[in-house]
Amino acid sequence: AQSVTQLDSHVSVSEGTPVLLRCNYSSSYSPSLFWYVQHPNKGLQLLLKYTSAATLVKGINGFEAEFKKSETSFHLTKPSAHMSDAAEYFCVVTKNTGGFKTIFGAGTRLFVKA
Amino acid sequence: GAGVSQSPSNKVTEKGKDVELRCDPISGHTALYWYRQSLGQGLEFLIYFQGNSAPDKSGLPSDRFSAERTGGSVSTLTIQRTQQEDSAVYLCASSPPGLNNYNEQFFGPGTRLTVL
Repeated sequence: AQSVTQLDSHVSVSEGTPVLLRCNYSSSYSPSLFWYVQHPNKGLQLLLKYTSAATLVKGINGFEAEFKKSETSFHLTKPSAHMSDAAEYFCVVTKNTGGFKTIFGAGTRLFVKA
Repeated sequence: GAGVSQSPSNKVTEKGKDVELRCDPISGHTALYWYRQSLGQGLEFLIYFQGNSAPDKSGLPSDRFSAERTGGSVSTLTIQRTQQEDSAVYLCASSPPGLNNYNEQFFGPGTRLTVL
């Protein structure tokens, strides 16, 4: 069975400080992993994706994530938060054997303080 | 080009009525997905279409929910005999041809359904 756990329901950082949003997954085989962002009153947008080519994945707006198989983690990071980063972030895993499913984590709301 | 569009943007209905939600994917996208996002919760996968076929319908919450896709394009999600617990934002996404595991999904703005 597949699952995605986002370890924090909300994270608060000050502008200019690092961001860490944590995601753990369980999968019986090599997964495809994604991070999506949802800004208030806006649609979901892809930040980055892991598809086994490289373990460190760079995305838009300075975000990156590292796939660590030994830890079954895919944490999202950014060196310096900006006010515009305030949004809801979703870690996602897709399954394409015995039927296709996309499984979203519960989401982490990021607050950025001035 | 145009993104994924959904209609209506808002729908208020009475308990027990049927509703139809529509999704227009990006032209040329072969895969189409429906999700439900309840207040304060993550997205719940409902169903996935590859072309007009839905290989996996196990995400549909009950037999009151059904979906179809015609012409490899527009899709409708139908909820019969709506219940208050059906109130949510229903999101549609599409993705281009290729290995669906790896493809970015492009999301529509959603339909907010309120069942009174």
